[in-house]
Amino acid sequence: DQQVKQNSPSLSVQEGRISILNCDYTNSMFDYFLWYKKYPAEGPTFLISISSIKDKNEDGRFTVFLNKSAKHLSLHIVPSQPGDSAVYFCAASAVRSQGNLIFGKGTKLSVKP
Amino acid sequence: DVKVTQSSRYLVKRTGEKVFLECVQDMDHENMFWYRQDPGLGLRLIYFSYDVKMKEKGDIPEGYSVSREKKERFSLILESASTNQTSMYLCASSLAGRNNQPQHFGDGTRLSIL
Repeated sequence: DQQVKQNSPSLSVQEGRISILNCDYTNSMFDYFLWYKKYPAEGPTFLISISSIKDKNEDGRFTVFLNKSAKHLSLHIVPSQPGDSAVYFCAASAVRSQGNLIFGKGTKLSVKP
Repeated sequence: DVKVTQSSRYLVKRTGEKVFLECVQDMDHENMFWYRQDPGLGLRLIYFSYDVKMKEKGDIPEGYSVSREKKERFSLILESASTNQTSMYLCASSLAGRNNQPQHFGDGTRLSIL
């Protein structure tokens, strides 16, 4: 059973607009959430994270929102740029998991000029 | 910056061969991980290690083994390669102790088993 779900396999957005990538989780023991970005033929790159004690974390054009009651997090990219086109993975870590991450299956973002 | 280096970007092997994938990290991280990535399946954990000479099975360990003789190096071994092990293999490392540390990934090895 998937503990971390990214229900949209793909998303297409116009350059300059907002991209919103969504992620749902089922395990209430998760307390740390991350987003990774992956280009083809490269390894995933850590993008941004959020602890469960917060509901928002911002880093430049990237903002992650956490709604614990809904077990939902989202990544907002504003404004979207063609270079943001990649696969985005959501991941979560549980208390006392010693750093193991559970990954979603990814969402492929295409930003069109 | 953390550097995780995987020995090969592309590798082609034959069915039945014993295959070694090497991974080295330069940040003195205690934790190291091996994943495989397949289309539509995301990243699946094969094995991980929290310290030298220790290993733990992940979600899909069958057909694989690992070795961690030194802290900086974590090797993935395909005992007898099969075509269903054709995949992108990703190594990662992270600091130990707490769960709020990101994993840092290498560039991956695209392995084809013929």
